[in-house]
Formats: sequence, structure tokens, C-alpha cells
Amino acid sequence: EPEVTQTPSHQVTQMGQEVILRCVPISNHLYFYWYRQILGQKVEFLVSFYNNEISEKSEIFDDQFSVERPDGSNFTLKIRSTKLEDSAMYFCASSDGLNYEQYFGPGTRLTVT
Amino acid sequence: DAKTTQPPSMDCAEGRAANLPCNHSTISGNEYVYWYRQIHSQGPQYIIHGLKNNETNEMASLIITEDRKSSTLILPHATLRDTAVYYCIVRVSFYNTDKLIFGTGTRLQVFP
Repeated sequence: EPEVTQTPSHQVTQMGQEVILRCVPISNHLYFYWYRQILGQKVEFLVSFYNNEISEKSEIFDDQFSVERPDGSNFTLKIRSTKLEDSAMYFCASSDGLNYEQYFGPGTRLTVT
Repeated sequence: DAKTTQPPSMDCAEGRAANLPCNHSTISGNEYVYWYRQIHSQGPQYIIHGLKNNETNEMASLIITEDRKSSTLILPHATLRDTAVYYCIVRVSFYNTDKLIFGTGTRLQVFP
């Protein structure tokens, strides 16, 4: 069964450093998402992406965040200058249409020290 | 904010049916109800969704009231591996985007 994959599974970085989280969505899907979950808290929507542009972003998704689909298969989330409060699990998801189920990857645990 | 309310926790004996309730009294006519679950810190796993009719798949059944203000997820024969946090979500869609707004969910504990 096709699945969303994410790399790395765990990333440790120092405050102020840039990180790139990578996702490979399910191959025929057209809609892509990033969510995050701070330890012990709710899963929060960050951004949705369709047709090579951001469809919607949350208040969390400020200028430090960016997304890209560089090569037609990968979908990346970049944090330019990480802060301690960016420590969280980051989940990528994909869907093949609006109002179709979103399939989530296993997540990347980001730890900012 | 989440448009759903769920009990924070429930217990269920292994082999019995687990019935997880959800209230979504402000749901709009074209909004779907989705159920996901999350085991430990893994990625949320899709279970089932519906608009107004009851739905069943290999994992669960979804019962939606006629006024659509509440629903119940039924796991017919709960196993220990069904221990997880279950999220009832009203999916918000716009012109070319949609998103899942997660609440705090129901922590289901299945015991032997």
C-alpha cells in the first residue's frame, strides 16, 4: 500500500540554524500539507500546498517557514532560523483531492537546543 | 478552533465494541466528519469519514445523527492495538484548500 515517507526521523539542531524536513507524498496525490505537534499538545495545521503554491497557511507559518516541491516527488519544509519553541513532531500529509482523506507520514521529530 | 467536542478518555474491554461519541453542533451542510487516530506519537491514521449517511469499512462504523449534530465511531471488536487517541474532525474546505483542525480527542484505553 502506498504511503507517505519522511526524512529524517529525528533531527537535532542548534537554535538559529536552518533545517529542512523532507517528505515524499503518495505519488498520484495533488494536495500536500504540513502539520506539527508539540509534545503533549494537539496536532496543528501549518500549511497546505497545491499546484505549486501555498493554498493556505496558519498563523504559526510565519516568514521563518517555507515550503517547496523541488522535483515533483519531494515536498520540503524549511525553517530558516530555528527557535527553541520549534521543537515538535512535524507531520507531512497528502491527499488526491479536496474532501478526500489525508494520509500522514510517520513524522520528523525536531529538537532545537 | 476545533468544531467538535469529545470526552477526554474512555475505557473498553478487549473484544467488546468501543463506542466513541462526538458532538459537532455547528457543522455546516457540506462539511464532512472525519475520524483519525494516533498511536503514541505516530502520524495520525485515517479511519473513516461521512457526510450524512452511516458508513462502514474494515476498521470501523460511523453513525451520524439525522440532524448531523453528533456522531459515534464504533470499533466493533476492540483489541489492545486499538489503544490510541481518537480524533473527531470536521473538515474545513475552501476554494482550493482544506485542512484538518484537530481537537484534543478521546484517549481510548483497551484493557485485557
